[in-house]
Amino acid sequence: GESVGLHLPTLSVQEGDNSIINCAYSNSASDYFIWYKQESGKGPQFIIDIRSNMDKRQGQRVTVLLNKTVKHLSLQIAATQPGDSAVYFCAENIGGGADGLTFGKGTHLIIQP
Amino acid sequence: DADVTQTPRNRITKTGKRIMLECSQTKGHDRMYWYRQDPGLGLRLIYYSFDVKDINKGEISDGYSVSRQAQAKFSLSLESAIPNQTALYFCATSDLRGNEQFFGPGTRLTVL
Repeated sequence: GESVGLHLPTLSVQEGDNSIINCAYSNSASDYFIWYKQESGKGPQFIIDIRSNMDKRQGQRVTVLLNKTVKHLSLQIAATQPGDSAVYFCAENIGGGADGLTFGKGTHLIIQP
Repeated sequence: DADVTQTPRNRITKTGKRIMLECSQTKGHDRMYWYRQDPGLGLRLIYYSFDVKDINKGEISDGYSVSRQAQAKFSLSLESAIPNQTALYFCATSDLRGNEQFFGPGTRLTVL
């Protein structure tokens, strides 16, 4: 079946550097995408979302890019901080989320001092 | 206080036992969801509910049942627990748009 997946299970970056976390999706009907951050022992927390009619969306220190041609989604975190250490999931849904979210497997972001 | 709460936070049980996990929310959302998370995998949808009269199966509903007792409460039951149901279970809520979902802290269930 179609699924959302991530390219790398672990990403290690230096504190202060920018981080880029990638996600590939295969369902061309997906029209809404979300990035979640999950810290150890906690539930996922919303970071940023983007609809399929957009290519880019910026938040505070985070940017999500959507390339519908190649079905690719990325999360960019600027000036990575120790508190950014977590597992990051991309998730998708179709038609406003009526059927719940489909999650990727997650990327563990590790911040090196 | 947390908007979405789950009880218990941790549970160890034996094969064949009936288990109920509970979720409560104070966000006033109509939609509620139950997900399961296994190591190395993302969250997978078990059941979801649009309101107290609406229950829908998700991707992996076999072996589970749910009850939406009120707008604020959505419980997940394992009628006869088995070891491969050992996992982290998350409840989530969303408004009518169903996009951004708010997650509870999770319940760690171990079936021996």
